[in-house]
Amino acid sequence: EIVLTQSPATLSLSPGERATLSCRASQLVTVDYLAWYQQRPGQAPRLLIHGATSRATGIPDRFSGSGSGTDFTLTISRVEPEDVGIYYCQQYGGSPLFSFGPGTKVDI
Amino acid sequence: QVTLRESGPALVKPTQTLTLTCTFSGFSLTTDGMSVSWIRQPPGKAPEWLARIDWDDEKYFTTSLKTRLAVSKDTSKNQVVLTMTNVDPVDTATYYCARTDYYGSGTYDFDYWGQGVLVTVSS
Repeated sequence: EIVLTQSPATLSLSPGERATLSCRASQLVTVDYLAWYQQRPGQAPRLLIHGATSRATGIPDRFSGSGSGTDFTLTISRVEPEDVGIYYCQQYGGSPLFSFGPGTKVDI
Repeated sequence: QVTLRESGPALVKPTQTLTLTCTFSGFSLTTDGMSVSWIRQPPGKAPEWLARIDWDDEKYFTTSLKTRLAVSKDTSKNQVVLTMTNVDPVDTATYYCARTDYYGSGTYDFDYWGQGVLVTVSS
C-alpha cells in the first residue's frame, strides 16, 4: 500500500507570499500518476496539476508542480485570497488503486 | 461542457443498502480511455477512492470495501450506479463521482467532479 504524507498540515500566509506544499510517498510513484487538487470550503476538489508538473485546463500559472520518485512539491508563487482551502496530492497505481494524502490547509 | 451530478438518499439506516446514481454529460463512457470513479469524503477528512468503471466495463474496487460495493453503467442514459451494502455510521460522508480521461491526458487523475451528495447513516 502506498501511503502519502503531506506537510505542513497548515500553512498561514499573507497575500503575495510564496507557498510550498510537500507530498511524500512511502514507495516510488510514477511521475505520470501524481496529481494535486484544491478543495475550497464547501466545494468539490478541483484538479490543479496532473503528471506531477502539468497544469490542468484553466489553472493559473502561479501554480506549479515538481518532483519525482517519492517527493513531490506544489508551489503557489504568489498566494491570493481565493487560494484558501485544502490541497491534496493523489497517486495512482498502488493499492488501493488511487489514494489521497491527508491534505495541507492553506490560510490567507 | 462536462458535468457530473450525484443523486441518492440523504439518510440511510444502518444495515441498509445505499444506491447512488451519477448522471453525466459532455462525454461518453463508450469512448476509449474514459472511466468514472466514486470517491467519498467523511466530514473533515481526506477523500477516499471507492470504485471505478471503465469504458470497456472493467471494474475496480478499493480492497477494504470490495465485498460491499458494486458498480454498473447505463451508457444509453449516461449514468453510473454505485451500490454499497450493509451500511454503517462510519460510511457517513459526501459521495462524489468523478471522471478520468486516460487517453486524453495520459494520466490517471480526476479532471471533473460532481458537486457531491452528503449521505448520513443513522437510525
